[in-house]
Amino acid sequence: QLQLQESGPGLVKPSETLSLTCTVSGGSISSSTYYWGWIRQPPGKALEWIGSIYYSGSTYYNPSLKSRVTISLDTSKNQFSLKLTSVTAADTAVYYCARPYSNSHPRFDPWGQGTLVTVSS
Amino acid sequence: QSVLTQPPSASGTPGQRVTISCSGSSSNIGSNFVYWYQQLPGTAPKLLIYRNNQRPSGVPDRFSGSKSGTSASLAISGLRSEDEADYYCAAWDDSLSVVVFGGGTKLTVL
Repeated sequence: QLQLQESGPGLVKPSETLSLTCTVSGGSISSSTYYWGWIRQPPGKALEWIGSIYYSGSTYYNPSLKSRVTISLDTSKNQFSLKLTSVTAADTAVYYCARPYSNSHPRFDPWGQGTLVTVSS
Repeated sequence: QSVLTQPPSASGTPGQRVTISCSGSSSNIGSNFVYWYQQLPGTAPKLLIYRNNQRPSGVPDRFSGSKSGTSASLAISGLRSEDEADYYCAAWDDSLSVVVFGGGTKLTVL
């Protein structure tokens, strides 16, 4: 059974870079046809799609975040990661990793448990 | 302001049938599949409905989805206390090239 687990710092200073990792177990991230993605949820607010990456390395980002986001794969560790630069308080959220069916089919299943990242000095 | 519009709240009594609406446009719901997620308090969202009306294995048939034009609905029949959660709709938007989510509906079981 495929399982995802986020990890990374829970506190990031304004203007710095947020870095998170999603460790996948029960399956290989380099399996063909698989996509991997990140979604976030500010406290008390709705879900927001950040972006997705295909097993080949092709990436798809939310245009509103595109200039600050990088999603990458580490096949040797069966992980994929998220980097968000120049963070502000507006980036405070629970960050989830999940497996989408494709970049244009938001069938996210399964999800990680989520990790809260607070942007504060 | 979410691209997909959901009512902020809904409620029902045990055993009742409730529906949650999701309104979009021709560039999202009107031309793509709709997905529904259930988020229990303090937990990650869970896929409830995919491709407008398909249920993943393990999701009770009390949950059903439908789509007509640029709107979609999630229906929950035989309401139970454990259905109390936030529900989100989602779709791909061809114009924005982005996954869009609704603002979420908080379902209260009275």
